[in-house]
Amino acid sequence: QTVVTQEPSFSVSPGGTVTLTCGLSSGSVSTSHYPSWYQQTPGQAPRALVYNTNTRSSGVPDRFSGSIVGNKAALTITGAQADDESDYYCVLYLGSNWVFGGGTKLTV
Amino acid sequence: QLQLQESGPQLVKPSETLSLTCSVSGGSISITSYYWGWIRQPPGKGLEWIGSIYYSGSTYYNPSLKSRVSVSIDTSKKQFSLNLSSVTAADTAAYFCVRHVSWACLFDYWGQGPLVTVSS
Repeated sequence: QTVVTQEPSFSVSPGGTVTLTCGLSSGSVSTSHYPSWYQQTPGQAPRALVYNTNTRSSGVPDRFSGSIVGNKAALTITGAQADDESDYYCVLYLGSNWVFGGGTKLTV
Repeated sequence: QLQLQESGPQLVKPSETLSLTCSVSGGSISITSYYWGWIRQPPGKGLEWIGSIYYSGSTYYNPSLKSRVSVSIDTSKKQFSLNLSSVTAADTAAYFCVRHVSWACLFDYWGQGPLVTVSS
């Protein structure tokens, strides 16, 4: 069974830039997987940040951006702020199956 | 503003069926381009897509849960439901109902996600 991989944790300084990645245990991520990204703070429902690789959801600041980097999907946060400290999840479309990564805990 | 609200028992006994209903308000449930789905999250762990349903009744299920899952929809009541049979402690999780854009990996509206505990 294909697994969606993410870094378990990452740390960034306030004002810094960080890139979180989303890969596949077998193969490369492409736009055909429609990668999307979600932010979750404790006790809250996740919030959609980016979908369809690089489209920001309504109301999401432009310091969040999505892309494909090499063989992975990527979420880049430019000018990290304290309230960006959250769990981040990617999800990929794998043929009538939507599979989440294990999540990245970001510390700012 | 679209709102989704889950309802149902928050304690289920092992081997029984977990049943939840999601009520949709502030918008139509009979709308093209959107599915209605369920996602769960065990305490302290990550997210898992369970299944999604279109207003016409067509469904998609997570292959790992397919033998135990059923999702149904009642457009007249603006509700959709989840049944998960033969539950064990491993099914203890927060269960979120979501609106699911059919052409993208986008879950754009979420319910609050009540914790459902499987315990005798």
